[in-house]
Amino acid sequence: GQNIDQPTEMTATEGAIVQINCTYQTSGFNGLFWYQQHAGEAPTFLSYNVLDGLEEKGRFSSFLSRSKGYSYLLLKELQMKDSASYLCAYMDSNYQLIWGAGTKLIIKP
Amino acid sequence: DADVTQTPRNRITKTGKRIMLECSQTKGHDRMYWYRQDPGLGLRLIYYSFDVKDINKGEISDGYSVSRQAQAKFSLSLESAIPNQTALYFCATSDLERESDEQFFGPGTRLTVL
Repeated sequence: GQNIDQPTEMTATEGAIVQINCTYQTSGFNGLFWYQQHAGEAPTFLSYNVLDGLEEKGRFSSFLSRSKGYSYLLLKELQMKDSASYLCAYMDSNYQLIWGAGTKLIIKP
Repeated sequence: DADVTQTPRNRITKTGKRIMLECSQTKGHDRMYWYRQDPGLGLRLIYYSFDVKDINKGEISDGYSVSRQAQAKFSLSLESAIPNQTALYFCATSDLERESDEQFFGPGTRLTVL
């Protein structure tokens, strides 16, 4: 089956840190992706994890635990422009991306 | 200039009409994809193509067809549009040579079927 879950909406304060979780269940796995999508725009690539551990890229970091079927995206020093939806997706054994419904992140001043 | 372009950007049509959405890319990627996005749902794959001679059905191909005219062009057709095909449609490309195989998306086509 294709099961991937992430929270529908989260709220955080400008300058703070937020963690967006993603859980998945799959028999075939070829990597976990995070994308950012501003309202009315196309998704843009943020990060890719294929091995367990933390990948850091500026203010954004992504973590993967394959044994737990779990990933998170960590956003530090939040800025108003970070208000967007964050999409989690895993690549299955056929190299197709299976997408979560996205987490809408609201940043308050 | 945008690397992945889609035309039209918006379209309103009536039930039963044939509609074609077009996608062009200048990235030189072999892999191209068509997705639809509905509120509250994740992106769902309609069709994908790993090269000009390769066409594959995705999760929700019923009611759709595609044509890969060239490496740079991948068109999606709705042979007889119905209201539940109202959605935001995205084309995407990826490069097999990149380890992550990340996908690059076009700006989207907002389709409304009345």
